[in-house]
Amino acid sequence: GAVVSQHPSWVICKSGTSVKIECRSLDFQATTMFWYRQFPKQSLMLMATSNEGSKATYEQGVEKDKFLINHASLTLSTLTVTSAHPEDSSFYICSARQSNFGYTFGSGTRLTVV
Amino acid sequence: GENVEQHPSTLSVQEGDSAVIKCTYSDSASNYFPWYKQELGKGPQLIIDIRSNVGEKKDQRIAVTLNKTAKHFSLHITETQPEDSAVYFCGANAGKSTFGDGTTLTVKP
Repeated sequence: GAVVSQHPSWVICKSGTSVKIECRSLDFQATTMFWYRQFPKQSLMLMATSNEGSKATYEQGVEKDKFLINHASLTLSTLTVTSAHPEDSSFYICSARQSNFGYTFGSGTRLTVV
Repeated sequence: GENVEQHPSTLSVQEGDSAVIKCTYSDSASNYFPWYKQELGKGPQLIIDIRSNVGEKKDQRIAVTLNKTAKHFSLHITETQPEDSAVYFCGANAGKSTFGDGTTLTVKP
């Protein structure tokens, strides 16, 4: 079945630094990937849609200069949290669309900014 | 855009009993409805999905039903086991997926 690998699974960084999270589709090509943020005991909040070879589409209220998304190949999308602050601490999850219907999620990245 | 409502937010059942989680959606263009199980500290895992041209789908102890006219779909888990305890999310896809707020299912041994 479709597998999406997300790294790192957890990261702790200092306030003001940047953190990059990778999302890879291992056995299929994903022209579209999605990035979500999840607060404790809450649902998945779509942050942006990442399209291979073009600019990402951000949801309302999500700062595109804060959360940089790059989808340079059909198997890799990256999310960079720039100048991270404690309020950026959260669980970030990517998903990749294999067909018109199927979505597979990565295992998530727990970001803690201290 | 699509709006998905999920009920209940928490559900506690005895081992062996059935559990039912219900979702409603607003966009009639939605044509794909997945259900995900999320265990603590992990990403959501697809457990079953249904497309708009099907009314019911079953996979062992898990089944999903869809009523397109009423715009609601449900997850049914029979013979629940403690390992079924997790947060369950429903989704509705009209181009991009929108998710319900999740249901925390607790199966008591």
